[in-house]
Amino acid sequence: KAGVTQTPRYLIKTRGQQVTLSCSPISGHRSVSWYQQTPGQGLQFLFEYFSETQRNKGNFPGRFSGRQFSNSRSEMNVSTLELGDSALYLCASSLLSGDTDTQYFGPGTRLTVL
Amino acid sequence: QQQVKQSPQSLIVQKGGISIINCAYENTAFDYFPWYQQFPGKGPALLIAIRPDVSEKKEGRFTISFNKSAKQFSLHIMDSQPGDSATYFCAASRRAGNMLTFGGGTRLMVKP
Repeated sequence: KAGVTQTPRYLIKTRGQQVTLSCSPISGHRSVSWYQQTPGQGLQFLFEYFSETQRNKGNFPGRFSGRQFSNSRSEMNVSTLELGDSALYLCASSLLSGDTDTQYFGPGTRLTVL
Repeated sequence: QQQVKQSPQSLIVQKGGISIINCAYENTAFDYFPWYQQFPGKGPALLIAIRPDVSEKKEGRFTISFNKSAKQFSLHIMDSQPGDSATYFCAASRRAGNMLTFGGGTRLMVKP
C-alpha cells in the first residue's frame, strides 16, 4: 500500500506570495492532519480534516487555511507569505478521526520564503 | 505554552547501551502518548504508543514507562544501535480528534 504523498517536495517563494501544498493520504484513510515543523518551534499542529470538514484547528493565523476533497486528498494554502513561514510542512493521514487512531506522516514539503 | 516538555535535547550513547528520553506533560486531558522517530529527509514514523491505563509497554527493544501521577513518560531504547540514530519526539493527544502536541525532540546519536 502506498504511503502518504506530498507535492511538491520543495518550494521557494518570496514574501507576499501565496502557496498551495497538496497531500494524498493512504488509500482508505479519511482523516488528514497538517503540521508545521521548524527548528525553533518544533512540530506544531495546523489543522485536521475528516470527511471534508475541519475538525480541529491549531493556533495559527487565518493566512493558513486548508480543505479536503471527496477523495480525501487535502490541500493547505498559505497567503501573504512571511519569512517565518519557512518550514517543513507535514501531512499525516489516519483511517478515522478520534480514538487516537495512528497517524502516518508523509515526507513533507520544504517551503523556503525569501 | 509548551504543553509537552522533552529532555534531553541531544543524547550520545555507545552501541549496546541504553538510551533514555523523558517527557512531561501538563494537560491532564491527554490520554494517548505516542513516540515518533524521524530520520533526516523523512516524516516522523510511529514507534510505540501508550495509554494512561498501563504503566509500561514494551515492543522489541523499545519500552515506554508511564507515570500518571507525575505526568511523565519516558522512552527506553535497549541495546542501542547506530541505526537508531535519529530524532525522537514524544507527543500527546486527547481521544477526540487527531491533534498531536509534540515535545521539542531529542537528537540521538549511537556511536559504534
